[in-house]
Amino acid sequence: QKEVEQNSGPLSVPEGAIASLNCTYSDRGSQSFFWYRQYSGKSPELIMSIYSNGDKEDGRFTAQLNKASQYVSLLIRDSQPSDSATYLCAVFGSGNTGKLIFGQGTTLQVKP
Amino acid sequence: EPEVTQTPSHQVTQMGQEVILRCVPISNHLYFYWYRQILGQKVEFLVSFYNNEISEKSEIFDDQFSVERPDGSNFTLKIRSTKLEDSAMYFCASSDVAGTDTQYFGPGTRLTVL
Repeated sequence: QKEVEQNSGPLSVPEGAIASLNCTYSDRGSQSFFWYRQYSGKSPELIMSIYSNGDKEDGRFTAQLNKASQYVSLLIRDSQPSDSATYLCAVFGSGNTGKLIFGQGTTLQVKP
Repeated sequence: EPEVTQTPSHQVTQMGQEVILRCVPISNHLYFYWYRQILGQKVEFLVSFYNNEISEKSEIFDDQFSVERPDGSNFTLKIRSTKLEDSAMYFCASSDVAGTDTQYFGPGTRLTVL
């Protein structure tokens, strides 16, 4: 059973700080990794995708992937109260059918 | 910007009744998915659909569930005889390519089974 694990939090950071969200996955063969943001009662919204080891930056967001450690993280710089949400880590299952396996999500609270 | 749409936004039904949840995927996408999220729990995969066939279905997707693409734009999820435990948010998603490409999610349908 492929698993994606996240600390459910909540993770509380002050406004302007860096928020660091972490995710581990069990399938060493996983190739594609996604971070989604989900506001309460809303649908998942894609923030970043990452496929290769290393860092990928997009604005205030940086995704980091370490396949050897089966670890993917998301850094949010200059955190804003509007970043307060649940962040979902997701990986594709095997079989190339597009099945996404989600973690439980980490709730981030950014305090003004 | 193209988006996935879903109707209704909220469906209330009695246990044992049939419900149909509707989705309009992004127009040039070829792969379609349904996920569900029970309140407070993780998003769970239900089914993937391509070329008018189910590509993969989860253990949740039993004989009570079916999917259909009745025309060139709609993608539906039918639950034949709803149970209390079917109460959840149901999300439709679509992508251009399976296995590597980003999936875009619709706003969801909140299903409440009484």
